[in-house]
Amino acid sequence: DAGITQSPRYKITETGRQVTLMCHQTWSHSYMFWYRQDLGHGLRLIYYSAAADITDKGEVPDGYVVSRSKTENFPLTLESATRSQTSVYFCASSELGVKSSYEQYFGPGTRLTVT
Amino acid sequence: QKEVEQNSGPLSVPEGAIASLNCTYSDRGSQSFFWYRQYSGKSPELIMSIYSNGDKEDGRFTAQLNKASQYVSLLIRDSQPSDSATYLCAVNWDYGQNFVFGPGTRLSVLP
Repeated sequence: DAGITQSPRYKITETGRQVTLMCHQTWSHSYMFWYRQDLGHGLRLIYYSAAADITDKGEVPDGYVVSRSKTENFPLTLESATRSQTSVYFCASSELGVKSSYEQYFGPGTRLTVT
Repeated sequence: QKEVEQNSGPLSVPEGAIASLNCTYSDRGSQSFFWYRQYSGKSPELIMSIYSNGDKEDGRFTAQLNKASQYVSLLIRDSQPSDSATYLCAVNWDYGQNFVFGPGTRLSVLP
């Protein structure tokens, strides 16, 4: 039972390069989320998806692009990486359904450094 | 702007004591409340969810919700050094995608 996985776990890239962070979940959860976590800011929502082909912006979407062609995958792309995007990125998922199932479950995270 | 506030800590308690973690939120329409534990360098791990006023117990953990006061707390009984972590409070108001996380409270349980 793999649950939710992220790759790569660590990434160093240069300013201006495109980077894609991958997220894969095996629970068939409807909802998927991307957060970034920075000291002093806590967890902030970048984008979320309610189902395949349905995505929407969160609190800090600028500079990021997402897609969701399959329920189990939710890649996050930094089109032109900037130093301010150095952060730890977490993917999460939750199930649409009865109230008690809206709990979010997190992947292990990707630590991204932009030089 | 929906906000969730927590004391940043660190909160230090001796082993075996009760640790009390508090969280307040700004939106009276908030419906679902969650506590996550995050060890240093790891991802958040769900501990408790609570939806109705009152107490909810799970092992050594008790979540308390008071919607009138816009307040949710987490009590950890018989605290252990392994409970040392940052505890994140999360609030959701639409049974779906809109979670807001608090900044977290760092708990240190001293042997």
